[in-house]
Amino acid sequence: QPVLTQSSSASASLGSSVKLTCTLSSGHSSYIIAWHQQQPGKAPRYLMKLENSGSFNRGSGVPDRFSGSSSGADRYLTISNLQSEDEADYYCETWDSNTYVFGTGTKVTVL
Amino acid sequence: EVQLVESGGGLVQPGGSLRLSCAASGFTFSGYAMSWVRQAPGKGLEWVSTISGSGANTYYADSVKGRFTISRDNSKNTLYMQMNSLRAEDTAVYYCAKGSRCEGYYMDVWGKGTTVTVSS
Repeated sequence: QPVLTQSSSASASLGSSVKLTCTLSSGHSSYIIAWHQQQPGKAPRYLMKLENSGSFNRGSGVPDRFSGSSSGADRYLTISNLQSEDEADYYCETWDSNTYVFGTGTKVTVL
Repeated sequence: EVQLVESGGGLVQPGGSLRLSCAASGFTFSGYAMSWVRQAPGKGLEWVSTISGSGANTYYADSVKGRFTISRDNSKNTLYMQMNSLRAEDTAVYYCAKGSRCEGYYMDVWGKGTTVTVSS
């Protein structure tokens, strides 16, 4: 069963960029992941699928300020031109044999 | 528009039962796996259970295996979760989520959630 590791928090200034990392456990570096955003008091929202090649597909309505990339077992979510509404928790998700796992989430603060 | 609407949450005593429902619209319901994911107060997301598009295959987290049963009625476009022998640690917001394929693969649509509180 894969394990996903995320840092607990990140912060950046309004209008700048922030890069979040989700690291897959040993033996699972080829896995596809998905990124989800959860704004305070709201349900999660799907952002994108991200493959180990770095190829990503944003969900419907997700701004192109959100992009993904990969390096080895690391999966990244970059938010450019940071807006106040981007202040949220960000979770990565993956699966193996129809069981799922989420990372612990990264809380993004917009300064 | 793809939409998921959960219902059935509430306050229940330890050892009690509850049945959650998730009404789906805007897509071919039987073509996609469906999942329940929960979030305890102040905590992260925890996968609970998944059912394949046909309903033939079901999967559970160890924390709920033997106590929770996931099912679906494709004629009614509705997902269910029967929760028995509830414990205080089952207290959470329960989200219904659509899979991106009929089996496996990531979740790509979420409902707004329904709150379950287990307390005496």
